[in-house]
Amino acid sequence: DGGITQSPKYLFRKEGQNVTLSCEQNLNHDAMYWYRQDPGQGLRLIYYSQIVNDFQKGDIAEGYSVSREKKESFPLTVTSAQKNPTAFYLCASKPDRGRRESPGELFFGEGSRLTVL
Amino acid sequence: GENVEQHPSTLSVQEGDSAVIKCTYSDSASNYFPWYKQELGKGPQLIIDIRSNVGEKKDQRIAVTLNKTAKHFSLHITETQPEDSAVYFCAASWGTGTASKLTFGTGTRLQVTL
Repeated sequence: DGGITQSPKYLFRKEGQNVTLSCEQNLNHDAMYWYRQDPGQGLRLIYYSQIVNDFQKGDIAEGYSVSREKKESFPLTVTSAQKNPTAFYLCASKPDRGRRESPGELFFGEGSRLTVL
Repeated sequence: GENVEQHPSTLSVQEGDSAVIKCTYSDSASNYFPWYKQELGKGPQLIIDIRSNVGEKKDQRIAVTLNKTAKHFSLHITETQPEDSAVYFCAASWGTGTASKLTFGTGTRLQVTL
């Protein structure tokens, strides 16, 4: 089945450690996104990538880094510079125009919950 | 940038009643307005969307209305069922291509009671 896979589902980190969240999609979508979700704040965009080897900062990029070496993969690294990293992280992808899916629709993974101890 | 406000933050209705969630947006260039449903521990899923050239769209028990002049749009769920209980997010963007970015509201937690 096509979809987006995020791992790990739960992750615990000590202060000062970097962690990398995995996001893989087999939907053949060009665009991929990382969102952070906090209670009462909705979804906020961290980074997004329209094509391989290119990505742009979203609204809250500080303390995060990404890479897009393959179309299928868009890993997010939460660095020690992120002051409040405990959150639920969602990866998403979007099809190009002209595909059968609703062109504006984001397809989300099931999320990764990061807790800093 | 775009700012989307969503109300109420929580909503409790009895099974069979209707539920209405309202959103306002700030950028008059926004022309695409999706609604997402997020069940506990899962990622959001698109349930309905509307473009700015349409005033209303309906899909079975779910409908969305858009007032471009007032810059607000609403989600209407009729004959609510327990499985409608979830968090609902509205969003807005200009365009639908890969360069467009969705701005989300803060979410509404809907509880349908028996």
